[in-house]
Amino acid sequence: GAVVSQHPSRVICKSGTSVKIECRSLDFQATTMFWYRQFPKKSLMLMATSNEGSKATYEQGVEKDKFLINHASLTLSTLTVTSAHPEDSSFYICSARDWQAAGYGYTFGSGTRLTVV
Amino acid sequence: AQKITQTQPGMFVQEKEAVTLDCTYDTSDQSYGLFWYKQPSSGEMIFLIYQGSYDEQNATEGRYSLNFQKARKSANLVISASQLGDSAMYFCAMRELGGGADGLTFGKGTHLIIQP
Repeated sequence: GAVVSQHPSRVICKSGTSVKIECRSLDFQATTMFWYRQFPKKSLMLMATSNEGSKATYEQGVEKDKFLINHASLTLSTLTVTSAHPEDSSFYICSARDWQAAGYGYTFGSGTRLTVV
Repeated sequence: AQKITQTQPGMFVQEKEAVTLDCTYDTSDQSYGLFWYKQPSSGEMIFLIYQGSYDEQNATEGRYSLNFQKARKSANLVISASQLGDSAMYFCAMRELGGGADGLTFGKGTHLIIQP
């Protein structure tokens, strides 16, 4: 079945630094990938939709300069949290579309727990 | 207004009992899809079941079934013969197919704890 690999699973960074999170579709090509953010014991909130070869579409309220998304190939999307601050600490999870996959196309990565100190 | 409402923040259920997790949704689209995901403490999102708005039959996947009541905009998840491994967060989600947006909108989740 479709597999989405997300790295790193956990990262701790200092305030003011940038962190890059990778989301790879391992056995299928994903023209569209999604990035979600989840606060502790809360729901997943869609941050942005990334389409291969074009600019990401950000949801209302998400700072595009803070959360840089690049989808340079059909198998890789990256989320870079720039100038991270403690309030950016959260669980970030990506999802990729694969029309052949179970779940009618939405396969999720295992998530990245970001802690900014 | 919330698009997905899950009214049960937490539930305790005895092992082997059936459990129903509630989900109501709000959309003006005629074409939409409803999903249920399980999220264990590790954080991964595990797909459980899908119901399309035009599907006439309620979806079933093993021990999971979806009680779809379109007129009431309700898509409750039923887990039969619950097991200890079912303890997790459960999220209901919706994809609206009419507006061009492609991502999922999630409810706040239900924390299900199965007791031996």
